[in-house]
Amino acid sequence: DSGVTQTPKHLITATGQRVTLRCSPRSGDLSVYWYQQSLDQGLQFLIQYYNGEERAKGNILERFSAQQFPDLHSELNLSSLELGDSALYFCASSWGNGNQPQHFGDGTRLSIL
Amino acid sequence: SQQGEEDPQALSIQEGENATMNCSYKTSINNLQWYRQNSGRGLVHLILIRSNEREKHSGRLRVTLDTSKKSSSLLITASRAADTASYFCATDLLTQGGSEKLVFGKGTKLTVNP
Repeated sequence: DSGVTQTPKHLITATGQRVTLRCSPRSGDLSVYWYQQSLDQGLQFLIQYYNGEERAKGNILERFSAQQFPDLHSELNLSSLELGDSALYFCASSWGNGNQPQHFGDGTRLSIL
Repeated sequence: SQQGEEDPQALSIQEGENATMNCSYKTSINNLQWYRQNSGRGLVHLILIRSNEREKHSGRLRVTLDTSKKSSSLLITASRAADTASYFCATDLLTQGGSEKLVFGKGTKLTVNP
């Protein structure tokens, strides 16, 4: 058990809709990272927050946004969903900022119909 | 293009044999990490090797790093069926904002047959 909790585990929705994925980091970790994993693109880094502030941005679409709250949990918002957004979305956490070992949740599987 | 790329893409061996996976990367790194992912689960951190280290061991795992060739290898000795998983290398990359992010390869899918 990594200590990182992601909800929901599965999400099925339609094109054009908006969803929110939630992540609770491991106790004591200040950084939260979001990744998208698909068969063709592999594991893609989306965005990182450290102690409530955005620290690094990756291949995150403008339709996607994220935030980290004072209690350090994070939410990833995906809007105007397209078929191509179907993927596994992982949250990971680490104690500090940068290239430390990351602890992954089990992901949210998003299916767009 | 990927910063790190694993080779081979897939590997099938018998229980008890050794498994070797390779990772090549493009730019200078501070460290390189290896992760394992069981089907449908999140990634699990295995080992981190710093750029000034050449070899590191953890149980049945041995990782080497050759910064001159920009490559790393992960050796799993005496493999078990439970080692069946995908293995990823991850390297740090400086972002435009000055922070570091991890960039993952596409992984090697290892199957250990009982």
